[in-house]
Amino acid sequence: GAGVSQSPSNKVTEKGKDVELRCDPISGHTALYWYRQRLGQGLEFLIYFQGNSAPDKSGLPSDRFSAERTGESVSTLTIQRTQQEDSAVYLCASRANTDTQYFGPGTRLTVL
Amino acid sequence: AQRVTQPEKLLSVFKGAPVELKCNYSYSGSPELFWYVQYSRQRLQLLLRHISRESIKGFTADLNKGETSFHLKKPFAQEEDSAMYYCALRTSGTYKYIFGTGTRLKVLA
Repeated sequence: GAGVSQSPSNKVTEKGKDVELRCDPISGHTALYWYRQRLGQGLEFLIYFQGNSAPDKSGLPSDRFSAERTGESVSTLTIQRTQQEDSAVYLCASRANTDTQYFGPGTRLTVL
Repeated sequence: AQRVTQPEKLLSVFKGAPVELKCNYSYSGSPELFWYVQYSRQRLQLLLRHISRESIKGFTADLNKGETSFHLKKPFAQEEDSAMYYCALRTSGTYKYIFGTGTRLKVLA
């Protein structure tokens, strides 16, 4: 079956512009995660959605970052007024009722 | 604060040699530990979890609460084991995961 998909695969933007990154989880997966991976660094937790519960936003680095999820489907990560330090690979993962996260291919964001 | 430390950025071993990828964590409660792997041009995927006490692709990992470690081991490395390996921690009562910085394993012919 289809795995987690993310779009776009690559995004180049200018400093100060807003960007939206999309994640389509595996159908039926109630949990969805966003992570950031800067060059040479590990995965940095950003936000976590679980069903209809309030999302865990504790990893969002600033108020320029926000994310939404419609029910148990698509999620959008929005970065406003992008900065060069936002350049990274943004990974999405979804999870059913187990401890296994299924990762998407990532979106590589470059802020010029 | 909870933390996962992978001290080696790069580990190179020869084919057939034993390999150990180190992972240490800091967490005062009962952790759930995982190893994820990313092969070249593939997605990050779960390799194994400590609670399952399983061996996947010849790899094993034992949780040592005394040393707060969860090192990944394989007795005889294969070239196809070359990949990026991440250790991850889930704290009790949550489904939030903390990842280490990863270790790149290169198995040389």
